[in-house]
Amino acid sequence: NAGVTQTPKFQVLKTGQSMTLQCAQDMNHNSMYWYRQDPGMGLRLIYYSASEGTTDKGEVPNGYNVSRLNKREFSLRLESAAPSQTSVYFCASSESRAKEKLFFGSGTQLSVL
Amino acid sequence: SQQGEEDPQALSIQEGENATMNCSYKTSINNLQWYRQNSGRGLVHLILIRSNEREKHSGRLRVTLDTSKKSSSLLITASRAADTASYFCATVTDSWGKLQFGAGTQVVVTP
Repeated sequence: NAGVTQTPKFQVLKTGQSMTLQCAQDMNHNSMYWYRQDPGMGLRLIYYSASEGTTDKGEVPNGYNVSRLNKREFSLRLESAAPSQTSVYFCASSESRAKEKLFFGSGTQLSVL
Repeated sequence: SQQGEEDPQALSIQEGENATMNCSYKTSINNLQWYRQNSGRGLVHLILIRSNEREKHSGRLRVTLDTSKKSSSLLITASRAADTASYFCATVTDSWGKLQFGAGTQVVVTP
């Protein structure tokens, strides 16, 4: 049972390049989330999807787009990467609303030069 | 600004000792959760305490919640080297249930 799987694990981009971070969960969870983690700031919510077919902005959505492809998959896209987007990105899922516990992927370390 | 803030930022103890870390928050909560993050890994849920609860236990973990002081504490008893990690508190404040994380406490347990 893989849980939450993120790809890639590491990525280096040049300013202005685009990329998509992939996330899939095999726990039949309804809700999925994208967070970024920066030193000394904890995790900040970028976007979330309460259920298949819906997405909503979190605290720091600027510069990102998301797609809830199906119940299993939730992708995060950077259309034009900026150095300020250098961070570690985590995907997470929960059975329903985040009032219950979240299950996290192992993260994607992204550097934008 | 962050909803939850952990204290201390870093903690260094020896195996067998207890580790205590605190979390303070600003607005009323639905529940408060603690997560552990080992270096280079994702977060792992440890325990959830609801606003109407005062204390919960899970193995060597004890969590307390004081809503009047808007604070929570996580106690790890009889620490092991494997407990070396960062510990985060996260609060749920809105009706939907989005989590807001603090900056974490980095715990190092030396053999």
